[in-house]
Amino acid sequence: KQEVTQIPAALSVPEGENLVLNCSFTDSAIYNLQWFRQDPGKGLTSLLLIQSSQREQTSGRLNASLDKSSGRSTLYIAASQPGDSATYLCAVGVSWGKFQFGAGTQVVVTP
Amino acid sequence: EAQVTQNPRYLITVTGKKLTVTCSQNMNHEYMSWYRQDPGLGLRQIYYSMNVEVTDKGDVPEGYKVSRKEKRNFPLILESPSPNQTSLYFCASSLSTVYEQYFGPGTRLTVT
Repeated sequence: KQEVTQIPAALSVPEGENLVLNCSFTDSAIYNLQWFRQDPGKGLTSLLLIQSSQREQTSGRLNASLDKSSGRSTLYIAASQPGDSATYLCAVGVSWGKFQFGAGTQVVVTP
Repeated sequence: EAQVTQNPRYLITVTGKKLTVTCSQNMNHEYMSWYRQDPGLGLRQIYYSMNVEVTDKGDVPEGYKVSRKEKRNFPLILESPSPNQTSLYFCASSLSTVYEQYFGPGTRLTVT
């Protein structure tokens, strides 16, 4: 069974520093991988979706890479801001319609 | 505004009293899914639907039922809720399974 891991569970960085968030998965046969952010008490907001045939996706300050052979995706957030404080989750498409989520990385960006 | 709505947002109920959590999307999405989120366990998929009348089990389907009679609606039914179904529930939808998922605001359910 696919296992999705996000390490570290929590991260604190000063404002302006680049954020690097990791998502690891055990089975490289994935359909896609999606990154979300979740604010306390709120739903999930989609950040980036990478298809299995892609290596990376970019949106503004966000860049996500995918390396299926090593079972890893990395989300980079450039020049972090206090508004980037949230929990970041990755979700792996493991089969047609089925998704496995990581437990998330809680990020605090201090002014 | 494109959105996924869930009702109710908060619900406290007692063991064994049947309940339904509604989910509706206005984006003409074919794919819809239900998840539960528990501390330390993350989000786990309950059921999903590829289209009208097509549903399938996720990782934790026990104790839940779903139906997809219309494209826009995907209700989650708990026929006999138990305390271990106390959780935060999310509905999500996407154009199809290869497109990004959009999530509803969540329903916090407490079963006493």
